[in-house]
Amino acid sequence: RKEVEQDPGPFNVPEGATVAFNCTYSNSASQSFFWYRQDCRKEPKLLMSVYSSGNEDGRFTAQLNRASQYISLLIRDSKLSDSATYLCAGGPYNNAGNMLTFGGGTRLMVKP
Amino acid sequence: EPEVTQTPSHQVTQMGQEVILRCVPISNHLYFYWYRQILGQKVEFLVSFYNNEISEKSEIFDDQFSVERPDGSNFTLKIRSTKLEDSAMYFCASRPGYGELFFGEGSRLTVL
Repeated sequence: RKEVEQDPGPFNVPEGATVAFNCTYSNSASQSFFWYRQDCRKEPKLLMSVYSSGNEDGRFTAQLNRASQYISLLIRDSKLSDSATYLCAGGPYNNAGNMLTFGGGTRLMVKP
Repeated sequence: EPEVTQTPSHQVTQMGQEVILRCVPISNHLYFYWYRQILGQKVEFLVSFYNNEISEKSEIFDDQFSVERPDGSNFTLKIRSTKLEDSAMYFCASRPGYGELFFGEGSRLTVL
C-alpha cells in the first residue's frame, strides 16, 4: 500500500469554482503534514502546513483528520494561476531523518 | 529570503559516467535531503543527512549513490556509474527541524 495517496486528477474547473482535494496516508506515526504546489518542471513550493485544528490562508483551507488518516485542501474562488499540481506530504517526528513522504500529486486545471 | 541553491541546473552525461550534483542548503538548517522526480512521476525520497551522517535512505539509494558534506556549506550527491533510469530531476532540500522542507530549483540529469 502506498504511504501517501492522492487522486491524480486532472480536476478541470471553471474560474471562480471551489475545488477540494483529499490525500490519505497510511503511516499512523505521521505527525507533520503539508500541502505543496508544483508547477511544470519546477520544484515543489510550500502552499501551507496542515494543523490538527485546521488552518486557512486566504482562499485556501487545509484540514487534518487523524481518525480517518486523511488531509484535505479546499480552494475557493479558483484563479487561472491556481493551475498546477498539488502535492501532499507527511512524515513522523520520531526518526532522525525527519523525511517527508510525498503523494503523487493532484493536477488542477482552472479554465476561463 | 534564504534559499537552497543547486548546480548544475541541467547535466547531460553518458551512461556509466560519474555525476556529482551540488547543493548549498539554507545555512541554519539541520537536516538535508535529496529527492528525485522522474518525468511525470512522484517526488521520491532518496536520502536524509543529519549531524554529518546519513540518517535515512530509501531503496533507490543503492551503492551507486553517495552523499557528502565536504565543508560547512556544500551538500553533494554522487552517482558513480549512471544508468539510463537515473535520468530525472534531482531536488535538494533542507529543513530547520520539524517544519517544512525547503527545496532547491533542482538539477535535471539526462543520461544518454
